[in-house]
Amino acid sequence: EAQVTQNPRYLITVTGKKLTVTCSQNMNHEYMSWYRQDPGLGLRQIYYSMNVEVTDKGDVPEGYKVSRKEKRNFPLILESPSPNQTSLYFCASTRRGGAGTDTQYFGPGTRLTVL
Amino acid sequence: KQEVTQIPAALSVPEGENLVLNCSFTDSAIYNLQWFRQDPGKGLTSLLLIQSSQREQTSGRLNASLDKSSGRSTLYIAASQPGDSATYLCAVRNSGNTPLVFGKGTRLSVIA
Repeated sequence: EAQVTQNPRYLITVTGKKLTVTCSQNMNHEYMSWYRQDPGLGLRQIYYSMNVEVTDKGDVPEGYKVSRKEKRNFPLILESPSPNQTSLYFCASTRRGGAGTDTQYFGPGTRLTVL
Repeated sequence: KQEVTQIPAALSVPEGENLVLNCSFTDSAIYNLQWFRQDPGKGLTSLLLIQSSQREQTSGRLNASLDKSSGRSTLYIAASQPGDSATYLCAVRNSGNTPLVFGKGTRLSVIA
């Protein structure tokens, strides 16, 4: 089954304790991205990757890092989490079809609470 | 900078009604527009994608239209059912390499 998986699904942590949220897709997509969703602000892109070893900042990259060493995996790293990073995080993978047919597939989300 | 607005923010209808959700965007030079469904605490499921060259797309009881010149899209849901209750998100991409820009969604409740 084609899917995007994220782990963990729920995480409560404390300020400053480094954490990684993993993301994996089995569709051989080149383009992957991370979003955060906050009440009243909607979904905003954090980072994206157009292929292995190619990453770039989205709209809200501060406080986050990513890596793309393999096509299927795109982990999100919070080196020193702060309470304002409490949010619902989504990983997404894009099927590139060209001519406007790109379709985005989302993981189930990771609810992060930073105390 | 592209901005996407969805009206209304919330909508409650009785089962069986036909309904329309609205999405507007400020930059009409779009690559595509996508409608998603989000259930509480869950991820997003793609419903329909409309390429910039298309005027509408249909899937079952759903029909999405696109009017680029006026910066609008509508999602029409026919014969609504309680299972349609969810938040519906509209998202626009300006080019193949730019991120999706999302609206804040319309929260739909279909009452049995």
